[in-house]
Amino acid sequence: QKEVEQNSGPLSVPEGAIASLNCTYSDRGSQSFFWYRQYSGKSPELIMFIYSNGDKEDGRFTAQLNKASQYVSLLIRDSQPSDSATYLCAATGFQKLVFGTGTRLLVSP
Amino acid sequence: DVKVTQSSRYLVKRTGEKVFLECVQDMDHENMFWYRQDPGLGLRLIYFSYDVKMKEKGDIPEGYSVSREKKERFSLILESASTNQTSMYLCASSLPREGENYGYTFGSGTRLTVV
Repeated sequence: QKEVEQNSGPLSVPEGAIASLNCTYSDRGSQSFFWYRQYSGKSPELIMFIYSNGDKEDGRFTAQLNKASQYVSLLIRDSQPSDSATYLCAATGFQKLVFGTGTRLLVSP
Repeated sequence: DVKVTQSSRYLVKRTGEKVFLECVQDMDHENMFWYRQDPGLGLRLIYFSYDVKMKEKGDIPEGYSVSREKKERFSLILESASTNQTSMYLCASSLPREGENYGYTFGSGTRLTVV
């Protein structure tokens, strides 16, 4: 069974700090990786994807991929209380995405 | 703006009832998926479909069936609802695997309660 592992949290950070969310995956054949944000009671929303080793930046968000270590991370700079949500990591698997169970992020004012 | 629409946001059904959850996408996506999400268990794949009239079992298909008669519509059927099927149900769609990116677009979800 191919897996994506995330720490369930909660990860607590103060407003304005950098939040670092991490994810590991077991399938070396995975090509692309996705970060979804999910607010309580809502559906997941795609915020970033990455498929090349290194960093990819989009506004306050940076996705990092290290295929040798099978490690994906999401950095959120200048964290805001509105960033408080569960963040799901996903990796491409055979015919479909494989999701982690998510990390809950709490940003305190 | 691309959309995946689930017909009901909240649904309450009785044990033993046959329940239909509908999902429609307007993006001409080939792939469609049904998940359920429960606290602590994450997203669990029930069924998926890569084309009209075809279906594949996911990780937890027992007690469920699906129908895909048209490309844009993917229905989840609970043949005889039970209380352990109380959950949030999420539909998603995507393009086939082309290049590097085929992320999913999710519908807004249906919170089903079986009493």
